[in-house]
Amino acid sequence: DAKTTQPNSMESNEEEPVHLPCNHSTISGTDYIHWYRQLPSQGPEYVIHGLTSNVNNRMASLAIAEDRKSSTLILHRATLRDAAVYYCILRAPTTGGTSYGKLTFGQGTILTVHP
Amino acid sequence: GAGVSQSPSNKVTEKGKDVELRCDPISGHTALYWYRQSLGQGLEFLIYFQGNSAPDKSGLPSDRFSAERTGGSVSTLTIQRTQQEDSAVYLCASSFGSSNEQFFGPGTRLTVL
Repeated sequence: DAKTTQPNSMESNEEEPVHLPCNHSTISGTDYIHWYRQLPSQGPEYVIHGLTSNVNNRMASLAIAEDRKSSTLILHRATLRDAAVYYCILRAPTTGGTSYGKLTFGQGTILTVHP
Repeated sequence: GAGVSQSPSNKVTEKGKDVELRCDPISGHTALYWYRQSLGQGLEFLIYFQGNSAPDKSGLPSDRFSAERTGGSVSTLTIQRTQQEDSAVYLCASSFGSSNEQFFGPGTRLTVL
């Protein structure tokens, strides 16, 4: 699996935007970029994913560099509930008979949100 | 609707005993995954079931670990002759198809004394 690199930790103030970076210089042309987050004492939850174009959903936005070697998860207005570990994960598309389904988690970025 | 459920939520056992951890995936989800998270460690893949295909057991750390999925629904992860290094939170996830987002359960915290 291609590797991702994220900062160990970041801090933000409530109501401010947060930009969480992820480097994935060895990404292959068919790897999708997925983001999950893990709130304290909970299992991970899906945030967003994309391939080439920027993506928006109700939780966040994903900005993908033109060369796809990096991406940024954007939380537009951080709340205290957004304090979590954020994981950037590369996933190859499903191919019959192979196990592309598993997620390979790195250490992630610990996001602290200050009131 | 109901999410992924796991039982028990906490399990304390003595070294050398066998344990069974249960996962009830979201109804209709064809893929089921087991992961574990040790204290201070990241999430580690263990095993993956997809429909009627042979499971991907490549993440199981030793032959003391096994898992089965009966009737394409409920799954049981069994750890035989538990060791202290098996202490971790065991997480189950399911998805509709193996490429879509995974929905995680709350986990089972296993403590081996």
